[in-house]
Amino acid sequence: DAKTTQPNSMESNEEEPVHLPCNHSTISGTDYIHWYRQLPSQGPEYVIHGLTSNVNNRMASLAIAEDRKSSTLILHRATLRDAAVYYCILTHDMRFGAGTRLTVKP
Amino acid sequence: EPEVTQTPSHQVTQMGQEVILRCVPISNHLYFYWYRQILGQKVEFLVSFYNNEISEKSEIFDDQFSVERPDGSNFTLKIRSTKLEDSAMYFCASSPTGISVLTFGAGSRLTVL
Repeated sequence: DAKTTQPNSMESNEEEPVHLPCNHSTISGTDYIHWYRQLPSQGPEYVIHGLTSNVNNRMASLAIAEDRKSSTLILHRATLRDAAVYYCILTHDMRFGAGTRLTVKP
Repeated sequence: EPEVTQTPSHQVTQMGQEVILRCVPISNHLYFYWYRQILGQKVEFLVSFYNNEISEKSEIFDDQFSVERPDGSNFTLKIRSTKLEDSAMYFCASSPTGISVLTFGAGSRLTVL
């Protein structure tokens, strides 16, 4: 089983920020936290990753708790194309949980 | 941008037949993975491969499955005697190191009749 837990689903309105949480209470000191997303009928694609510090890229931001037992993927302005299943995984596990299905409403 | 390519995109086979799914990872990547996704379900880890040997496998990856890197570019998943429940999307992924970001292929859809 995956070492991460996420809510099954979340909804957002278009153009609004979305915060997708992930719990990883058994994370080890050397685990990176990776986020991927799977658009309908596609393979998973990389979104962002981090170790301890918060990270930003063109797709999203990643906020990592100080104890590293949880993290939050932030989409600053959700678009309809962001509707997908979002997964967080740990590098020494590489197993996907059920992920969070994000629905974006126009 | 470099990509992972998988063939075939869709294969239909009869139960009990052998199937080989092929993947061409990104050329400078050293770690290779197979995952599967049954329709409507989550992505499941099957196996990871490094330095010409399996580094980890899941309980799904039983004796019916095998992986091989027959040459410097291809990475294959073989299912010896397919079962109905093997029908799924199979994704190959590769990464430069064991802790790096995974790049996934578009997948091979296997339908077992």
